[in-house]
Amino acid sequence: EDQVTQSPEALRLQEGESSSLNCSYTVSGLRGLFWYRQDPGKGPEFLFTLYSAGEEKEKERLKATLTKKESFLHITAPKPEDSATYLCAVSVYSGGGADGLTFGKGTHLIIQP
Amino acid sequence: KAGVTQTPRYLIKTRGQQVTLSCSPISGHRSVSWYQQTPGQGLQFLFEYFSETQRNKGNFPGRFSGRQFSNSRSEMNVSTLELGDSALYLCASSLEVSSGNTIYFGEGSWLTVV
Repeated sequence: EDQVTQSPEALRLQEGESSSLNCSYTVSGLRGLFWYRQDPGKGPEFLFTLYSAGEEKEKERLKATLTKKESFLHITAPKPEDSATYLCAVSVYSGGGADGLTFGKGTHLIIQP
Repeated sequence: KAGVTQTPRYLIKTRGQQVTLSCSPISGHRSVSWYQQTPGQGLQFLFEYFSETQRNKGNFPGRFSGRQFSNSRSEMNVSTLELGDSALYLCASSLEVSSGNTIYFGEGSWLTVV
């Protein structure tokens, strides 16, 4: 069974304090790994797609990396507006059809001014 | 470019009733997927439609169903509502089938079953 585990469940940082969020996965065949940001009461907002080990993507203060077993979302010098729940999801090869994304439970990030 | 639009945003239903939720995908997107989000289970895949055909379905009972129209707009229906169906229902669209491709979510429909 495909599994996605995110850690930590919650993280509180001071403004400017850099850190990393982890997403480890156990899947039969990875087609893609996705990072989303979700604010309270809203739908997930797309951040990054990674397809192969060694791939990296950057956007403002965020950088996503991928290995064969896990992905990291690095947050550099975060600001209070980066506070949100960050979700990791995987798409896997299946025998046929589209199985949808398998999501982790998310990391709830709070950036204190 | 308009994003994924879901209606209604909020609704309250009574146990045993049925509900229909609507989704308009991003212009040009042909695939629509539906997800259920609850505090306990997180985000779970319901089903995906592409070219008016259901591609696959997640592990949900037959009370959950959907359809897609020729303009790619989609609806999902839940019959005989149970208290446990209270959740945020999210629609997502992608250019082609979602497998391996990026999907973009709408703001969701909050369903409360009382």
